[in-house]
Amino acid sequence: DGGITQSPKYLFRKEGQNVTLSCEQNLNHDAMYWYRQDPGQGLRLIYYSQIVNDFQKGDIAEGYSVSREKKESFPLTVTSAQKNPTAFYLCASSERTAGVETQYFGPGTRLLVL
Amino acid sequence: AQKITQTQPGMFVQEKEAVTLDCTYDTSDPSYGLFWYKQPSSGEMIFLIYQGSYDQQNATEGRYSLNFQKARKSANLVISASQLGDSAMYFCAMSSTRGSTLGRLYFGRGTQLTVWP
Repeated sequence: DGGITQSPKYLFRKEGQNVTLSCEQNLNHDAMYWYRQDPGQGLRLIYYSQIVNDFQKGDIAEGYSVSREKKESFPLTVTSAQKNPTAFYLCASSERTAGVETQYFGPGTRLLVL
Repeated sequence: AQKITQTQPGMFVQEKEAVTLDCTYDTSDPSYGLFWYKQPSSGEMIFLIYQGSYDQQNATEGRYSLNFQKARKSANLVISASQLGDSAMYFCAMSSTRGSTLGRLYFGRGTQLTVWP
């Protein structure tokens, strides 16, 4: 089955610890995205990548880092510099069909700080 | 800058009735796309419907239709014949068509829809 997988479903972080969220897609999509969602809020863009080995900061990139070494994978690291990391993190990838770029999302990872 | 506004934090509708979820947007781009996503309590975002800024007709997808009024900068989602499974958070989003930000989405804060029997 084609789709986007995120792991783990729940992640706990201790103070001062870096953690990495996994995002994998087998849809052969070029572009991938990371969003953060806080309770009662919409999604805010952290980072995005339109092609392998290239990525751009979104609106709230501080305290996060990414890599895009393979087309299928776009891991997000939440560093200790991110002071309020508790949130729901969603990964997406997109395809362009008939001039329309549509994003499809993974199931998300809930990050909690201990 | 792109901005999406959803003014209804919550909406209630009886099963089998139709409901309209409001969305207004602001952009200076001549070309853009408008999307609606559904987020059930599980958290996953599900793509529902798309409308291009140059499309002459309103988009439809099964029980979902998008009431696009370009002059008013509104893109309301209409759900016909509501079902209990439609209870979820609904997000309106707009895509950028500018070079370096091509494809990125800007989201509203969402509307929580509750369908009652």
